[in-house]
Amino acid sequence: KAGVTQTPRYLIKTRGQQVTLSCSPISGHRSVSWYQQTPGQGLQFLFEYFSETQRNKGNFPGRFSGRQFSNSRSEMNVSTLELGDSALYLCASIVNPNEKLFFGSGTQLSVL
Amino acid sequence: AQKITQTQPGMFVQEKEAVTLDCTYDTSDPSYGLFWYKQPSSGEMIFLIYQGSYDQQNATEGRYSLNFQKARKSANLVISASQLGDSAMYFCAMRPLSGSARQLTFGSGTQLTVLP
Repeated sequence: KAGVTQTPRYLIKTRGQQVTLSCSPISGHRSVSWYQQTPGQGLQFLFEYFSETQRNKGNFPGRFSGRQFSNSRSEMNVSTLELGDSALYLCASIVNPNEKLFFGSGTQLSVL
Repeated sequence: AQKITQTQPGMFVQEKEAVTLDCTYDTSDPSYGLFWYKQPSSGEMIFLIYQGSYDQQNATEGRYSLNFQKARKSANLVISASQLGDSAMYFCAMRPLSGSARQLTFGSGTQLTVLP
């Protein structure tokens, strides 16, 4: 059974650009959540989707957005990139709300 | 709100010995799940073990066991027979099992180094 797949693995962007990250959950998992990991702030929750609906959102500016498609794949978008957006972005999938979360390998975003 | 505290920024252990990584938590949620993840230098967050607050017995997964003491709000990870491949960052995390805000809250992590 394939795990959580995140693409791309690495991204380099410049300030002001926008970026889209993709996450394909484990087959059968309908919930996807996103986390940002930085050396200074650690792991912080971005948002969670279930059956194409955003159920919960973390304390991030509106430049961070996401969506989930009918096949449970999810994308997150960051517009007008800032240097501080450089981070490892991790996606996790879950079968149902009371189950375990499994993470992908992450997308390492560098903003220059 | 939930809070996870990992007081050991770094730990060293000799190969084949056991090691305990500390984790304490604070929450007002009546039911919650506790997780441990391993993050090697490659960045992937690897699920290790899960304990529900309602579970009577401590969770075990192979060489990993979770020493859950609910009254003390602690959920320590025990790794038996350490291997060189266990060298990584370890995160304790929790999430409520009721309500709409069910995101994971992570601790700051413990960097474990296994010595040959």
